[in-house]
Amino acid sequence: KNEVEQSPQNLTAQEGEFITINCSYSVGISALHWLQQHPGGGIVSLFMLSSGKKKHGRLIATINIQEKHSSLHITASHPRDSAVYICAVRVGTGTASKLTFGTGTRLQVTL
Amino acid sequence: KAGVTQTPRYLIKTRGQQVTLSCSPISGHRSVSWYQQTPGQGLQFLFEYFSETQRNKGNFPGRFSGRQFSNSRSEMNVSTLELGDSALYLCASSFGTYTGELFFGEGSRLTVL
Repeated sequence: KNEVEQSPQNLTAQEGEFITINCSYSVGISALHWLQQHPGGGIVSLFMLSSGKKKHGRLIATINIQEKHSSLHITASHPRDSAVYICAVRVGTGTASKLTFGTGTRLQVTL
Repeated sequence: KAGVTQTPRYLIKTRGQQVTLSCSPISGHRSVSWYQQTPGQGLQFLFEYFSETQRNKGNFPGRFSGRQFSNSRSEMNVSTLELGDSALYLCASSFGTYTGELFFGEGSRLTVL
């Protein structure tokens, strides 16, 4: 079983819809990252969380440390949001820590 | 402010050769980490450097190595290339270590024939 599980794997939405992508992890973490990868490879960091909730424009990320779960929400989705969204967790602390990645959620937003 | 720069962007090598990839972090960032992305395994952590010291290493064979220079630029080297090393290699920089926000380069796409 992977340490980081994302759902759904694929998601198709119409423009304007509210989207939720989920990330569950099985180990203790010191931080969680939400990343966006467009076709061609470049990765952009959307959020880094260790607790609570963060908002940036139409994007909202939440984390529940006790339940080992995080969600990424996109409000009023747009075709330019089409990308792969990847959850990554930092497992361990200090020099023993490393990033472990989920397999990604492929989002397509249509007109 | 310039972003993270990776060179070369694309390269083709044959089995048995070696390759060196370069990563120039954002000015002022002292931490550089490297990742391998393949269709089968997804993103996997390779290594992480801070102030010229390797802080952590992922589960990769010894053919994969790296270093960081005093100006924070980093290189990774893969020796005795295998077909399975074909991948997108990404580096990311951050100001601090372990919990800093990551800024990724565009990646170096390696094809091994």
